[in-house]
Amino acid sequence: KQEVTQIPAALSVPEGENLVLNCSFTDSAIYNLQWFRQDPGKGLTSLLLIQSSQREQTSGRLNASLDKSSGRSTLYIAASQPGDSATYLCAVRREDDKIIFGKGTRLHILP
Amino acid sequence: NAGVTQTPKFQVLKTGQSMTLQCAQDMNHEYMSWYRQDPGMGLRLIHYSVGAGITDQGEVPNGYNVSRSTTEDFPLRLLSAAPSQTSVYFCASSKTGWNGYTFGSGTRLTVV
Repeated sequence: KQEVTQIPAALSVPEGENLVLNCSFTDSAIYNLQWFRQDPGKGLTSLLLIQSSQREQTSGRLNASLDKSSGRSTLYIAASQPGDSATYLCAVRREDDKIIFGKGTRLHILP
Repeated sequence: NAGVTQTPKFQVLKTGQSMTLQCAQDMNHEYMSWYRQDPGMGLRLIHYSVGAGITDQGEVPNGYNVSRSTTEDFPLRLLSAAPSQTSVYFCASSKTGWNGYTFGSGTRLTVV
């Protein structure tokens, strides 16, 4: 059974700092891993998609890495801003097309 | 393109009532799924479909029915609503396999 774990559950950092969010998964038979952002009371916005054959993807201040063999992904946010405050979710797509989510990391950027 | 459209956005039901949550996408995505999101539980898969006429159960299917008669639509039916079904429901779609996921904006359901 695929399990996806995100640590920490919550994180507060001062504005301007670089930070790393972690995601681990138990079954390496995946198509891809996707990072999402969710603002309170809102839907999910896709941030980055990494295919199982890729090591990393970048978009602006965001960089996601994937180590499939060890079952780990990280989301790196550079020069954090108060607008980055949100819950960040990772999801893995299994080879049977089921997509399993972690419970998320609640990020708070302190002005 | 409208993306993934969910209706209604909010709904209050009485225990025992039935209703259908609608989900439609205009991106010709084969894969569609329904999730519920509860505090502390994350997103849990209810039902999913890999194409018209094909559906399968996820982690928490009890109390819900689905059907997929067209590629575009994937409605979720609550047969007899219970307070435990109070949640936020999200529909999502994608091309199968190597593609990312697009989410609808959600339906907030309260069962009293």
